[in-house]
Amino acid sequence: DTAVSQTPKYLVTQMGNDKSIKCEQNLGHDTMYWYKQDSKKFLKIMFSYNNKELIINETVPNRFSPKSPDKAHLNLHINSLELGDSAVYFCASSGGKKYGYTFGSGTRLTVV
Amino acid sequence: GIQVEQSPPDLILQEGANSTLRCNFSDSVNNLQWFHQNPWGQLINLFYIPSGTKQNGRLSATTVATERYSLLYISSSQTTDSGVYFCADYGGSQGNLIFGKGTKLSVKP
Repeated sequence: DTAVSQTPKYLVTQMGNDKSIKCEQNLGHDTMYWYKQDSKKFLKIMFSYNNKELIINETVPNRFSPKSPDKAHLNLHINSLELGDSAVYFCASSGGKKYGYTFGSGTRLTVV
Repeated sequence: GIQVEQSPPDLILQEGANSTLRCNFSDSVNNLQWFHQNPWGQLINLFYIPSGTKQNGRLSATTVATERYSLLYISSSQTTDSGVYFCADYGGSQGNLIFGKGTKLSVKP
């Protein structure tokens, strides 16, 4: 009965590869997010989708492309992976501004 | 955008001790939330507390929106309280959370 689930949990890949991270929420929330947590634990917004529509697209290289096939899913595709992309990527969802966020368990991406 | 300052950055406690973590904001507080990231990396929402006081077991939180700060109290700390505590508030009209840098708490047995 996981509320926000991400797959895979761990991802080790070589530079230059393309990879995807999947996220699904069963909370009925309208808004989903991707956050990046760096090695110093700092959490920063990357993208936000509301009902499949892109709302926020922070300063992120265009090698990162989010896709939301429906409001319960928000996937993250990364092209031409670089060493600096190594981080933990969190998916989250929210029912709106007056509600708390629920985070997935994170995907630890290591680029070698 | 909004700036979020957390203090202290690091805290070491003996099991059973109490502690207070603080969060200051550069702008008005709208939708403040406290999170705990456990040693396994999982982020758990502790409180949604735009104003007032809430309690959940040994944890309680108080937000004074007019003075732009929030406090998280941990009483009778346990080793399972270890991890990083984050506060966050909405930084813009689109509703994304802006996070502080966190307080790393270590509770020793």
